[in-house]
Amino acid sequence: AQSVTQPDIHITVSEGASLELRCNYSYGATPYLFWYVQSPGQGLQLLLKYFSGDTLVQGIKGFEAEFKRSQSSFNLRKPSVHWSDAAEYFCAVAQNDMRFGAGTRLTVKP
Amino acid sequence: DGGITQSPKYLFRKEGQNVTLSCEQNLNHDAMYWYRQDPGQGLRLIYYSQIVNDFQKGDIAEGYSVSREKKESFPLTVTSAQKNPTAFYLCARLAGGNEQFFGPGTRLTVL
Repeated sequence: AQSVTQPDIHITVSEGASLELRCNYSYGATPYLFWYVQSPGQGLQLLLKYFSGDTLVQGIKGFEAEFKRSQSSFNLRKPSVHWSDAAEYFCAVAQNDMRFGAGTRLTVKP
Repeated sequence: DGGITQSPKYLFRKEGQNVTLSCEQNLNHDAMYWYRQDPGQGLRLIYYSQIVNDFQKGDIAEGYSVSREKKESFPLTVTSAQKNPTAFYLCARLAGGNEQFFGPGTRLTVL
């Protein structure tokens, strides 16, 4: 069955530290891949997307993600986290429709 | 706002009442979606519409209804048949590259 998995429910990092949020998918063919961010009580904002081509994609707010076909993964990274990055992050995949992971809540320690 | 507006931001409903959530888009896009979000869960698709006067059920359509009489509007009605309606509801539109852009959401609370 098609699925999207974000293994980490909650991650805490110190401000200035690097960040990696994991996303794995199970689809027959490579779907379109997305990362969204959600602040409390708000809608989702698109951070970046992968359709084809270069497997390392750059997004807004200094985020990047790398598509690894062999691992069916699309992990989100940021070299240095800011306190304003604290939010919920959702990985999403689209083929015939869009499916979302359960989300990873990021806490940033001062 | 991604070209999507939702109103109201907060909505309270008594048990047994129907309530309608508004979703409007101003970018002339065809496809629109309604999702439900519960704490600790991802988004679940309720209904979607790809063209005017046509819509399809998503994964959790029971207890909900929609209409698409105009391209710019896709209202969602939460009916009394929905057993657990308290949730955060998000409307989205489909952009050209298969990405979706979301409205700010409506938080519905059943009293």
